[in-house]
Amino acid sequence: RKEVEQDPGPFNVPEGATVAFNCTYSNSASQSFFWYRQDCRKEPKLLMSVYSSGNEDGRFTAQLNRASQYISLLIRDSKLSDSATYLCVGENSWGKLQFGAGTQVVVTP
Amino acid sequence: GAVVSQHPSRVICKSGTSVKIECRSLDFQATTMFWYRQFPKQSLMLMATSNEGSKATYEQGVEKDKFLINHASLTLSTLTVTSAHPEDSSFYICSAPRQVLPANYGYTFGSGTRLTVV
Repeated sequence: RKEVEQDPGPFNVPEGATVAFNCTYSNSASQSFFWYRQDCRKEPKLLMSVYSSGNEDGRFTAQLNRASQYISLLIRDSKLSDSATYLCVGENSWGKLQFGAGTQVVVTP
Repeated sequence: GAVVSQHPSRVICKSGTSVKIECRSLDFQATTMFWYRQFPKQSLMLMATSNEGSKATYEQGVEKDKFLINHASLTLSTLTVTSAHPEDSSFYICSAPRQVLPANYGYTFGSGTRLTVV
């Protein structure tokens, strides 16, 4: 079983709509979590860290549920530029990152 | 700040040759560099961790004699794919812990190297 699992999608979202997706992790020792965005054939770029209390950055809201071991990302008012693959990433106490395979989001006009 | 410059961005080489990939931290000192490989539609898989001045730590299943890692200075880490074969064709990417005061915050990635072995 993979340590971080994501629905690969694609999630096809009309422009202006809201999309949400989760990822699950199996290693309860994971300390920190992040959402990264990866455009085709490019390097991942940090979107936001994820905190248990939930955090929001503009149109993006992330939530961590340690009891159920899942992380969520919600995108409001989707823009065409939000089309990308979103990587769920867990970090253990040694600083080792575990990447999910990514969830593809396609925002359509 | 916290930029990692990686090159080449794309390389095509013949089977049996060696390819060197460089990652330089431009505005910070990277005592640690992580090297990943990503196959199409798959997650980034950690290959090895390099530390300045010491031997790299390889993940299980990664051949250290095939993927030579050198971290000679606080700003440069290199990965050499020796005797490359078509199955080594992949997207290789480096990452260093971001040191942004007042607290460490995430990781910064190089722009990646797309290796094609023909």
